[in-house]
Amino acid sequence: DAGVTQSPTHLIKTRGQHVTLRCSPISGHKSVSWYQQVLGQGPQFIFQYYEKEERGRGNFPDRFSARQFPNYSSELNVNALLLGDSALYLCASSWGQINTGELFFGEGSRLTVL
Amino acid sequence: GENVEQHPSTLSVQEGDSAVIKCTYSDSASNYFPWYKQELGKRPQLIIDIRSNVGEKKDQRIAVTLNKTAKHFSLHITETQPEDSAVYFCAASKANNNAGNMLTFGGGTRLMVKP
Repeated sequence: DAGVTQSPTHLIKTRGQHVTLRCSPISGHKSVSWYQQVLGQGPQFIFQYYEKEERGRGNFPDRFSARQFPNYSSELNVNALLLGDSALYLCASSWGQINTGELFFGEGSRLTVL
Repeated sequence: GENVEQHPSTLSVQEGDSAVIKCTYSDSASNYFPWYKQELGKRPQLIIDIRSNVGEKKDQRIAVTLNKTAKHFSLHITETQPEDSAVYFCAASKANNNAGNMLTFGGGTRLMVKP
């Protein structure tokens, strides 16, 4: 079975630009979460979506938004990029909404903002 | 919100020795505590987890203990091997229909196992 897949794997943007990151969960998983991992730190929760509805939001500005599609894939959008948005963005999928089981992470999208 | 503190930030051991990483959490409602291993440039991968109705769990060379009263949990790796070298993250979560399954991670511990 394919694991969680994310695209693109690497990208470089300049300040003020917009970025869209994509995630496909493991087949059968209905929940997708997004995490930001700044170099040298632990992942920080951004959003969780379950059955296409937002179920959790971390302490991130409104420049960050996300959505989940009928096939359970997801997009993370970041507007008006800042230098501090440079990070590894991790997508994780799980079967259920609550902690009924393991979160499976993708390899991440490494965003560099210049 | 939940706050997870992790110590030490770096840990160097000799091959064959044991390694212990400790975490504390702030929210007494947290009830799920996973540990993730992240190798350089790779995704975090679950190595062991424990729920609040259990005090200890073991899987081969890895064990986790949980003290709910003190709100701390620890990862124990015995007979360390060079391939155990990685960054380890603890995390905490609570089963809550409003909170979903958001994980709050610690800051990570870089474990180095010297041959």
